[in-house]
Amino acid sequence: DTEVTQTPKHLVMGMTNKKSLKCEQHMGHRAMYWYKQKAKKPPELMFVYSYEKLSINESVPSRFSPECPNSSLLNLHLHALQPEDSALYLCASSLDADRRTEAFFGQGTRLTVV
Amino acid sequence: SQKIEQNSEALNIQEGKTATLTCNYTNYSPAYLQWYRQDPGRGPVFLLLIRENEKEKRKERLKVTFDTTLKQSLFHITASQPADSATYLCARSRADSWGKLQFGAGTQVVVTP
Repeated sequence: DTEVTQTPKHLVMGMTNKKSLKCEQHMGHRAMYWYKQKAKKPPELMFVYSYEKLSINESVPSRFSPECPNSSLLNLHLHALQPEDSALYLCASSLDADRRTEAFFGQGTRLTVV
Repeated sequence: SQKIEQNSEALNIQEGKTATLTCNYTNYSPAYLQWYRQDPGRGPVFLLLIRENEKEKRKERLKVTFDTTLKQSLFHITASQPADSATYLCARSRADSWGKLQFGAGTQVVVTP
C-alpha cells in the first residue's frame, strides 16, 4: 500500500465553523506533512511531524491546528477560517524527516471558506 | 528572498519530441533536488531525485541534470506522449532540513498528438 488517503475530498465551511481534515498512511512512514496550495501556485509547507511530534511549524496562524494521534494518522483542525484560506490542502508522508527519500502526497482536500 | 523558479509559460510540444524544463534557484545550493508531476486537482507524484554530487539521473524516458555552478536543474521527457501532459514541479531541500521542501510554481507541459 503506497497511498496517502485524505478525507474529505471537498469541504465547504462557513467562517464560524469548526472542521477537521484527515490524512492516513500505512507505509510505516514516520514523517508526515501538511501543505497548502493555492491555484497556479506551488505547495507551501505548513507543518512537519516527525515521529508523532511537531517538528516544524511554518508560522501558520493558530486557526489551523495540527494533530498526530499516531504514526499513521494526521489531522488538521480548522476553526474561524477566512475566505483567503480557501485552497487545496495536501498531506504527505516520507520514510522520516532526515533520510533522503521522496514524499508521497495524498489527493488533497479542496477547501472553500464562505 | 530565497527563490526556486520555473518557466511559468506552458510548454507545448508535439508527441515524440523531447520536452526540456528548467528549474533555477537562488541563495543556498540545495543538497537535493526533486521533480514531481501534478495533474489538475491532485497531489504531486514523485518522479526523480538528484543529489548535489550527481550530474545526471535517468528513469525510463525521464532525465534530470543538476548544475550547481549555474544553480540550475534541467528535466527532460524524451519521446513525449499525450499522457505526459501535466504540471511538473521542482523542489529543493537543505541537507540539514530535509523535511522542508521548497517547491517551484511548476511548468505546465501539453503534448499534442
